[in-house]
Amino acid sequence: DAGVTQSPTHLIKTRGQHVTLRCSPISGHKSVSWYQQVLGQGPQFIFQYYEKEERGRGNFPDRFSARQFPNYSSELNVNALLLGDSALYLCASSLVGMNTEAFFGQGTRLTVV
Amino acid sequence: AQTVTQSQPEMSVQEAETVTLSCTYDTSESDYYLFWYKQPPSRQMILVIRQEAYKQQNATENRFSVNFQKAAKSFSLKISDSQLGDAAMYFCAYRSYSGNTGKLIFGQGTTLQVKP
Repeated sequence: DAGVTQSPTHLIKTRGQHVTLRCSPISGHKSVSWYQQVLGQGPQFIFQYYEKEERGRGNFPDRFSARQFPNYSSELNVNALLLGDSALYLCASSLVGMNTEAFFGQGTRLTVV
Repeated sequence: AQTVTQSQPEMSVQEAETVTLSCTYDTSESDYYLFWYKQPPSRQMILVIRQEAYKQQNATENRFSVNFQKAAKSFSLKISDSQLGDAAMYFCAYRSYSGNTGKLIFGQGTTLQVKP
């Protein structure tokens, strides 16, 4: 079975632009979460979605938004990019429920110049 | 709000030796999960071991074991017989038991170097 896949793997954008990152969960996983990992730090929770609804949101500005599609894949959108948005963006998928493990993708490295 | 702290930015160990990575956390909840994740240079976060707070017995997974001290809010990871492939960044993480959210709260990470 394929693991969590994220695209693109690397991306360079200019300040003020918009970016869309994509995530395909493991087959059968209905929950997708997004994390931002700035270089040298631990990941920070951005969003969780399952059943196409937002179930959790971290302390990020409204420039960050996400959605989940009927096939449970997800997109993370960031508007009006800032230099500080440069980071590794990780997607994790899991089954729905408490006693479940989160499986991570390899991330999208976003550089804002 | 819950917080996770890893006070060792870098650690090194000789191959085949044992190393312990420290983690403390703060929470007012009584039920929760704790995790150790490994992030090699490939960037993919890999689950190493998990502990349910209601279980008194420390979790073990082959060469990896934890020392869970609930009262002290401490959750250290012991790696025995260290191998070169263990070199990576290690993150301690917390997940609440209440609510149906999978939100993980990570520490700052510890970079582990394994010397041949």
